[in-house]
Amino acid sequence: DGGITQSPKYLFRKEGQNVTLSCEQNLNHDAMYWYRQDPGQGLRLIYYSQIVNDFQKGDIAEGYSVSREKKESFPLTVTSAQKNPTAFYLCASTPGTELRPQHFGDGTRLSIL
Amino acid sequence: GQQLNQSPQSMFIQEGEDVSMNCTSSSIFNTWLWYKQDPGEGPVLLIALYKAGELTSNGRLTAQFGITRKDSFLNISASIPSDVGIYFCAGQRAGTASKLTFGTGTRLQVTL
Repeated sequence: DGGITQSPKYLFRKEGQNVTLSCEQNLNHDAMYWYRQDPGQGLRLIYYSQIVNDFQKGDIAEGYSVSREKKESFPLTVTSAQKNPTAFYLCASTPGTELRPQHFGDGTRLSIL
Repeated sequence: GQQLNQSPQSMFIQEGEDVSMNCTSSSIFNTWLWYKQDPGEGPVLLIALYKAGELTSNGRLTAQFGITRKDSFLNISASIPSDVGIYFCAGQRAGTASKLTFGTGTRLQVTL
């Protein structure tokens, strides 16, 4: 089935540790996005990428990094510089054609040990 | 970043009742989207609206793109238990790489 796969479902981070969240899509979509969701809030954009080897910061990029080496993959690294990483992280993609809806993966919940 | 004003924040309704929620912005959008999110899962697209004044239905759901382009409404008719969840509105502007601006969500709970 075509879709967006995020892994792992749950992730724990120790103090000072970097962790990487995986996002893979087999929809042949050009654009991919990472969002953070905190309890009782909407989604906030961390990073997005419109094409391979290119990405831009979103509204809350500090403490995060991304790469886009392949069209189908857009991993997110939560670095030790992110002091409040506990949240639900969501990956999305869209064909890249202007103004098309984004489709989401099932998320990764990150917690601090 | 901006978040859209979505109301109500939460609502309890009885099974069979109709539900209305809305989303407002201080600036215009070219597209309005409505998503539903179940606990621990990603949002699922319900309805997409592309033209001011557009009224679109998806089963028991009906959404409208406001004439001013600054608001949108979602109605659910004859609610059932599986309607429970959080509903988000989202807007897109032309020339912004399909980025979404989200509302703060409406939590819907249905009592039997």
